[in-house]
Amino acid sequence: TQLLEQSPQFLSIQEGENLTVYCNSSSVFSSLQWYRQEPGEGPVLLVTVVTGGEVKKLKRLTFQFGDARKDSSLHITAAQPGDTGLYLCAGSGAGSYQLTFGKGTKLSVIP
Amino acid sequence: DAGVIQSPRHEVTEMGQEVTLRCKPISGHNSLFWYRQTMMRGLELLIYFNNNVPIDDSGMPEDRFSAKMPNASFSTLKIQPSEPRDSAVYFCASSWSSDPFADEQFFGPGTRLTVL
Repeated sequence: TQLLEQSPQFLSIQEGENLTVYCNSSSVFSSLQWYRQEPGEGPVLLVTVVTGGEVKKLKRLTFQFGDARKDSSLHITAAQPGDTGLYLCAGSGAGSYQLTFGKGTKLSVIP
Repeated sequence: DAGVIQSPRHEVTEMGQEVTLRCKPISGHNSLFWYRQTMMRGLELLIYFNNNVPIDDSGMPEDRFSAKMPNASFSTLKIQPSEPRDSAVYFCASSWSSDPFADEQFFGPGTRLTVL
């Protein structure tokens, strides 16, 4: 079973600060996704990365997939209270459609 | 457009009782997934269906759990008998296909199950 470790587990920052959260595994993933989950709701897909070394930007969010396809990071610039939520990474191995999720990073952005 | 609909949103039951969770996927989607989320284990895939047929149930924890999809617009997840360790939030998700990297999975709001 492939495992995804996310860090930090909890993060509380002031509005306007920058932050980076991480997703690491000892296994290679064919592709990786990032989701955001708000309280009382299901996860919502933010981005999919498929190529080692790939960088994708979504407004103030920057996602990077490691060259070895074993890790990923999410960087948020000038965080806003609306960024508050649980950030989950998910991946699958070659030939598998089953998503393995990390336990997430719970982000709180204080106004 | 209505998203994935789950019912009930909250369920509190006593150990040993039967619990049935319900899901209505997005119209036209061919794949349906059941997940369970706990603090200890995170979000785990239990089972998924393609065109109403169960494809992979390797995530179902034990025989007390069963899932059905009698038609394209309805699925159930049943726990019988329920145990306190089954307490979790159960999510249903649907998608055009079972490849999560080709087609986005849309999650419902979840059912929070508490077994006393």
